[in-house]
Amino acid sequence: EAGVVQSPRYKIIEKKQPVAFWCNPISGHNTLYWYLQNLGQGPELLIRYENEEAVDDSQLPKDRFSAERLKGVDSTLKIQPAELGDSAVYLCASSFRSNEQFFGPGTRLTVL
Amino acid sequence: AQKVTQAQTEISVVEKEDVTLDCVYETRDTTYYLFWYKQPPSGELVFLIRRNSFDEQNEISGRYSWNFQKSTSSFNFTITASQVVDSAVYFCALSEEETSGSRLTFGEGTQLTVNP
Repeated sequence: EAGVVQSPRYKIIEKKQPVAFWCNPISGHNTLYWYLQNLGQGPELLIRYENEEAVDDSQLPKDRFSAERLKGVDSTLKIQPAELGDSAVYLCASSFRSNEQFFGPGTRLTVL
Repeated sequence: AQKVTQAQTEISVVEKEDVTLDCVYETRDTTYYLFWYKQPPSGELVFLIRRNSFDEQNEISGRYSWNFQKSTSSFNFTITASQVVDSAVYFCALSEEETSGSRLTFGEGTQLTVNP
């Protein structure tokens, strides 16, 4: 069974540029999560989807971050415009009917 | 509010040594779930174990064992006879919900380095 897939694995951009990350969850997993992991810290939840509905986005900086999960499968997280402080690893995870979450390899973003 | 504390930022051991990673948590709920994840250099978080607050039995899986003590709000993780491949960052996490969609609160992680 394929795991959570994320792309790109690495992204380097200049500040003020837009950037997007893509996540494909494990087949059949209805819950999808985006986490932010700063260097030397544990992941922090940005947004959680139940199917196509965002049910917990309280930690998402909505002035520059947006996310979507069309058709309740793949998801895209976007930052526009990116700031230096956005440099981090963005992790996607998915789950089905339990709190056991399966994580993807993450996208490491560097903003110059 | 829930909180997870991993006081050990970095641990370095020599192969075959036993090592214990500490985890202390805070929660006001009587029902909660505790997790350990491993994050190797590749970056992917790998699930190791989940325990609920009603099950205080220690668990052993191969070289891994977990000690859950509600009295001290701790959920420590021991690797016996460590190997170089155990080198990774280990995260302890807490969830207050059983169902899918629960928010995981992570500790800051412990970087374990196992030297040959």
